Amino acid sequence: NAGVTQTPKFRVLKTGQSMTLLCAQDMNHEYMYWYRQDPGMGLRLIHYSVGEGTTAKGEVPDGYNVSRLKKQNFLLGLESAAPSQTSVYFCASSYGGLIVYNEQFFGPGTRLTVL
Amino acid sequence: GQQLNQSPQSMFIQEGEDVSMNCTSSSIFNTWLWYKQDPGEGPVLLIALYKAGELTSNGRLTAQFGITRKDSFLNISASIPSDVGIYFCAGQYNFNKFYFGSGTKLNVKP
Repeated sequence: NAGVTQTPKFRVLKTGQSMTLLCAQDMNHEYMYWYRQDPGMGLRLIHYSVGEGTTAKGEVPDGYNVSRLKKQNFLLGLESAAPSQTSVYFCASSYGGLIVYNEQFFGPGTRLTVL
Repeated sequence: GQQLNQSPQSMFIQEGEDVSMNCTSSSIFNTWLWYKQDPGEGPVLLIALYKAGELTSNGRLTAQFGITRKDSFLNISASIPSDVGIYFCAGQYNFNKFYFGSGTKLNVKP
């Protein structure tokens, strides 16, 4: 099993450009999440999904959109990138359902720089 | 949003020493988790705790779920250079959303 994978690993954008980050998991997990991590801070939840076709806002959703068309994929989009969105983005997934199986498993991250 | 206070922010220790870090919250959690993050990688789960008072070990790591459900600690015994990294606590409240501490950066001198 590859676990949680993310593409791309690195990206540099100019202000106003758009891009999509792809997250894929092969563990048949129901729940998927997008976080951002900034220096000296913990992970902050952007959006999450509790199943195929569903999405919901997290703590810092502004400027981002997401889609979960397939159970194994969760896409994060930036329609008009801003320098404040320079960060490391992590995708995670969890089994969902019973609380005891809800540990989150993380991907390796995408480093995004917006100039 | 939910606030987790994790301390210390950073530690510099000698190889072989024991390490202790903790997280506190103003609200109760149903689950506490501890993750380690190496440079350039995603967090990796170390220990998961599900019941108040629970004490769980994973090799040289020991973590406890506080009785009040508002805190947790992680101990690392006999530290080694590969323990270097950032350790995060995370708490789950009443839905499948997690709140993370700001991390403890551990440096181990050989």
